[in-house]
Amino acid sequence: QQQVKQSPQSLIVQKGGISIINCAYENTAFDYFPWYQQFPGKGPALLIAIRPDVSEKKEGRFTISFNKSAKQFSLHIMDSQPGDSATYFCAASIGEYGNKLVFGAGTILRVKS
Amino acid sequence: DAGVTQSPTHLIKTRGQQVTLRCSPKSGHDTVSWYQQALGQGPQFIFQYYEEEERQRGNFPDRFSGHQFPNYSSELNVNALLLGDSALYLCASSFTGLIGANVLTFGAGSRLTVL
Repeated sequence: QQQVKQSPQSLIVQKGGISIINCAYENTAFDYFPWYQQFPGKGPALLIAIRPDVSEKKEGRFTISFNKSAKQFSLHIMDSQPGDSATYFCAASIGEYGNKLVFGAGTILRVKS
Repeated sequence: DAGVTQSPTHLIKTRGQQVTLRCSPKSGHDTVSWYQQALGQGPQFIFQYYEEEERQRGNFPDRFSGHQFPNYSSELNVNALLLGDSALYLCASSFTGLIGANVLTFGAGSRLTVL
C-alpha cells in the first residue's frame, strides 16, 4: 500500500517533443506528490509538486496532472530539450512531517537533438 | 549559500565492518532525513532527525542508526555491513516550519561499496 509505481522505465524523445511520465499510488492518505530530477553524480532536485486539492499545476515547461479518483499523476515536459536528459522520480508522502517520501523506481529520459 | 554537504563521497568497506556517513544541512534547515538509493532504484527512506531525536523511521534494521547534533548536522551509522548495503546514501534537509516542510534539499550522496 506504500508503493508508488512509475512508468515507463526509460523514454527517448526528440528535441521539441513532449515527454510524459506516469505514476500510480494505492494509499489514499498520500497528500503531497513531488517530482524530482536527478543528474548523474548528483542528488535528486525538486522539480515541481502538487497537492490533491488541484488537478493540474504548471511551472514553465513542466506540468503535473493529477487524477485523484484514478490515484494517478503524471509529469509532462513540453518542448523537451537535451538538457532535460536525466532520471525523473515521482514520489508521495503523508501528513505534517511529510518528509518521509515514497519514491517510484525512476524514469531515464533521453532527449535526442 | 552551501547546500547539503555529505562526506565522504565514496568509500569501500568489507562485510562485517562499520561505517559512518556525515551530513551538513542547508543553512536555515533544522531537519535531516536519510535515504538509501540502490543502483537503478528510487531512494528509500531510512529515518529522519529533528531536534536531535529520531522522528520517523522506515523499514530498515537496527543496524542502521543515526544521530543529529545541536548544529543540525547528522551522522548515519551502519553496523555489520552486508553486501546488500552497497548503495548511494542520500542526506536531505528541510525546515520544519509552517510552510514548506515537505520541500527537501538533497546532497550529492555518499557512494558505499561493500566487498
